[in-house]
Amino acid sequence: NAGVMQNPRHLVRRRGQEARLRCSPMKGHSHVYWYRQLPEEGLKFMVYLQKENIIDESGMPKERFSAEFPKEGPSILRIQQVVRGDSAAYFCASSPRSGSISYEQYFGPGTRLTVT
Amino acid sequence: TQLLEQSPQFLSIQEGENLTVYCNSSSVFSSLQWYRQEPGEGPVLLVTVVTGGEVKKLKRLTFQFGDARKDSSLHITAAQPGDTGLYLCAGDGQNFVFGPGTRLSVLP
Repeated sequence: NAGVMQNPRHLVRRRGQEARLRCSPMKGHSHVYWYRQLPEEGLKFMVYLQKENIIDESGMPKERFSAEFPKEGPSILRIQQVVRGDSAAYFCASSPRSGSISYEQYFGPGTRLTVT
Repeated sequence: TQLLEQSPQFLSIQEGENLTVYCNSSSVFSSLQWYRQEPGEGPVLLVTVVTGGEVKKLKRLTFQFGDARKDSSLHITAAQPGDTGLYLCAGDGQNFVFGPGTRLSVLP
């Protein structure tokens, strides 16, 4: 059973360009979470998605950032007109969220975005 | 907003020593998870604790969930350099929240 996959692992963008980060959840998982991590800091929640639905985007900046999890294909985190402050590691996690009270998240290896 | 605090923030010890790191909150959580993150990698789930007072062991690691389900501890016996990493706790309550982590360095 393959784990959570993220690509690309490293992404370099110039200021003003767009960044697209992809996440394929574990097989059987229908819930995806995106986090941002700055160097030497913890994980900051950005958005929680289910197939074709955004459940919680309270951690997502209001402008330039968007996320989707289509019926088919990976989840995409999109950052438009990137700025230097967007440089960070972006992690995706998936969960089965099978209905039990307790659920666990399984993380991908992350995408390291560098904005030059 | 539910928050998790972790202490200490940094810990550097010699190989063979024992240590305990803590995860605390003023809120009650349905469950709590511990993760370890190594440089350049994503966090890896170590354990989930669900019941107040629960103790789980994973080789040299012992995890405990507080009776009131507001706090947890992770104890490592005879630490090894391979234990080096960022230890994160995460709680499942009103929202799923992560603590800021304890950065552990075990020196050979």
